[in-house]
This record gives sequence, C-alpha cells and structure tokens, in this order.
Amino acid sequence: QKEVEQNSGPLSVPEGAIASLNCTYSDRGSQSFFWYRQYSGKSPELIMSIYSNGDKEDGRFTAQLNKASQYVSLLIRDSQPSDSATYLCAVNSNNLFFGTGTRLTVIP
Amino acid sequence: EAGVTQFPSHSVIEKGQTVTLRCDPISGHDNLYWYRRVMGKEIKFLLHFVKESKQDESGMPNNRFLAERTGGTYSTLKVQPAELEDSGVYFCASSHWDRMVTGELFFGEGSRLTVL
Repeated sequence: QKEVEQNSGPLSVPEGAIASLNCTYSDRGSQSFFWYRQYSGKSPELIMSIYSNGDKEDGRFTAQLNKASQYVSLLIRDSQPSDSATYLCAVNSNNLFFGTGTRLTVIP
Repeated sequence: EAGVTQFPSHSVIEKGQTVTLRCDPISGHDNLYWYRRVMGKEIKFLLHFVKESKQDESGMPNNRFLAERTGGTYSTLKVQPAELEDSGVYFCASSHWDRMVTGELFFGEGSRLTVL
C-alpha cells in the first residue's frame, strides 16, 4: 500500500473556477501535511502546510485536513492559467512521503 | 539567495557506466536530502545528510549508489555501474536544521538520468 495516494489526473478546470485536489495517506500517526507545486521541468515548491484538522487559507489556496478520514485536500479558488502545474501531496511520517502528483490544467 | 543547484541537468549514459550527480544546497542549510522520481511513480526518499553525516540512508536502493557530503557543503551521488532501472529524475533538497520536520524543503530542479 502506498503511503500517499493522489489521482494523477489530468484535472482540467476553466479559468476562474475552483480546482479541488485530493490526497489520502496511510499512516494514521502522521502529523504534518504539505502541498508542493511543480511546474514542468522545475523544482517542487512548497505552497501550503497544515498540521491540525480543519481549513487553512492562504490567498486563493485553502488546505483542508481530516485526520480521522486520513484525507487532505487543496482548493484553488479563482483558478488562473498560471496555476497549471503538478501538485504533489506530501506527508511527514518519520520521513517525507510524496504522492505521484495531480496534473492541473487551467483553461483560459 | 541562491537556490539549490544540481548538475548535470541531464545525463545520458550506457548501462554499466558510472555517473556522478552533484548538489549544492542553499548556503547554511545543514540538512541535505536526495530523492528520486522514476517515470510515473512518486518522488521517493533516498537519503538524508546532516552536515557531513548520513542521518538516514534507508532509501538507497542498493550498493551501486554512493552518496557523499565531504565538509558538509555540496553532495555527490554516484551510481556505479548504472542499470536501466536507475533512469529517472534525481532531486536534491535542503533545509535548515530546525525545519527538518516541517516539510519545508527547498528542492533543486533535478538531474535527469537516462540509462540506455
């Protein structure tokens, strides 16, 4: 069983819509959760971190965590073409485990 | 502030040859990590240095892989002899000591290795 599961996509949304990216993890003891964004051919970049149940908002990004369901998500409001990238979910479980990433395309 | 730099950006070698990848972390970052992404798979941990010491090398696939960080600055990852399954993108990342558990890693752009 993979530590971190994500739908690989691709996920396409029109400009201005809400993009919803989902992730589940296997280690119930995990305490910290992260979303990285990776543009094609570039380095992964940390965009959000969340440590407690509930929502955490940063600009157009909202991370949501539900430890009981072992589920973490990322919402991108008012999606822009510049948001088109691969989004990697990462979970700290004595080490940092990544999902395979979801490729998001925002259509102008 | 310069980011994490990796060299080469792409290397194409034949099976059985040797390749050495280099990573220069952000200045002052004691923690240095190597990760690998095989096509279609997730980014997987290889090993972690704290300064010049190997903190965790549990992700190293086999003894064909050798990582060093002499002097606690840049690091090298040598693959000898390379096999076809070693193809992938090798990422280096660094972080401050007190951010080791926060997931706030700064990644390089990766070194793509193709073994023919």
